[in-house]
Amino acid sequence: QLQLQESGPGLVKPSETLSLNCTVSGDSISSSSYYWGWIRQPPGKGLEWIGSIYYSGSTYNNPSLRSRVTMSIDTSKNQFSLSLSSVTAADTAMYYCAAEDHIMVLSFAHWGQGTLVTVSS
Amino acid sequence: QSVLTQPPSVSGAPGQRVTITCTGSSSNIGAGYDVHWYQQLPGTAPKLLIYGNTNRPSGVPDRFSGSKSGTSASLAITGLQTEDEADYYCQSYDSRLNNFRVFGGGTKLTVL
Repeated sequence: QLQLQESGPGLVKPSETLSLNCTVSGDSISSSSYYWGWIRQPPGKGLEWIGSIYYSGSTYNNPSLRSRVTMSIDTSKNQFSLSLSSVTAADTAMYYCAAEDHIMVLSFAHWGQGTLVTVSS
Repeated sequence: QSVLTQPPSVSGAPGQRVTITCTGSSSNIGAGYDVHWYQQLPGTAPKLLIYGNTNRPSGVPDRFSGSKSGTSASLAITGLQTEDEADYYCQSYDSRLNNFRVFGGGTKLTVL
């Protein structure tokens, strides 16, 4: 059973960089069976896809965020990471990591529990 | 404004049937991309409900079903139960930009 767990600071100052990690258990981060993704949800609002990364390092980003987003994979820690630069209050949200599963037609079949990030001075 | 359009809310009484629509365009659902549905119970992470337009993951009751036609998709829930009260999101892909994943704006289901 694939499990994901987000970690990172819950409070980030405006203009700084938000950095989150997602630790994967139950399979290898180097598996070709998944794309590893980030989705966020502002308080009281809907889901927004941030981006996804494949084990090869190929990345796919939401055009509205592309210039501020960096994603990477750390095979030694079985983790993948998100960095979002120049944050503002509009980036305050619950951030989820998730796995797009090839067996389930690349749906986001597996989700972390989410971590709330607040942007405030 | 979401790329995929869902009604903000739907409601039904226990035992009834409701449907939630997800309307897209020729660059996403109409282009043949798969549609997936997620259920988000209050205070929890989304959970996959339907994948590949019509398929249920193991453990999802057969009261939930998905369909797709043209530029739209639908989620049907029969035999409504109080525990079905949640937010529901559709998700697909858009061909305009590099495998861009798109979500609908979400639909709040209220069980009266």
